[in-house]
Amino acid sequence: GENVEQHPSTLSVQEGDSAVIKCTYSDSASNYFPWYKQELGKRPQLIIDIRSNVGEKKDQRIAVTLNKTAKHFSLHITETQPEDSAVYFCAAIEVKGPGANNLFFGTGTRLTVIP
Amino acid sequence: GAVVSQHPSWVICKSGTSVKIECRSLDFQATTMFWYRQFPKQSLMLMATSNEGSKATYEQGVEKDKFLINHASLTLSTLTVTSAHPEDSSFYICSAPGQGGETQYFGPGTRLLVL
Repeated sequence: GENVEQHPSTLSVQEGDSAVIKCTYSDSASNYFPWYKQELGKRPQLIIDIRSNVGEKKDQRIAVTLNKTAKHFSLHITETQPEDSAVYFCAAIEVKGPGANNLFFGTGTRLTVIP
Repeated sequence: GAVVSQHPSWVICKSGTSVKIECRSLDFQATTMFWYRQFPKQSLMLMATSNEGSKATYEQGVEKDKFLINHASLTLSTLTVTSAHPEDSSFYICSAPGQGGETQYFGPGTRLLVL
């Protein structure tokens, strides 16, 4: 099965600086890579995703890059704000079609933005 | 958008009792739902895949007789933790895939504390 590794496990940045979280995956068949933000005690919230036919995607201060050859993808948050503090999870999945497609999650990164 | 609810959000029980957690897709049908367990400061670990009208598929190391899953309708899956013990204390989250199979919609989670 798929194995997703995530680094770093904790990350502290000054407000306004950028944060980068990196993930690697093992299954070359994986073709969909979502990123989730989870605040303490709450459900994971999808913040951005990327499909394997795209190398980069951006949504305001958040961007994701994908290197299929190296099997790694990264989350970039620019101009960080205190409300960005949370745990971020990457995930990988081989979407075969409608129905059951299990997500494989990374181990998570606890991001702290220092005001 | 698609909404998944869970009930209860919190449960405290004595060791040896059984606890049932419900996961509902409120505005869409889900032939498949996923059950995850999350220990403090750890990632989401898939426990089982719940299949409407058939048996659940359990991940390696998850006891099917302890974690009973019933997916009786296209909008409801239940997870019953039987004879709960303190080590079963955790955050349990369900999810259901949206149309197309990519996006996972997560429930708000159920925090279980076994005394």
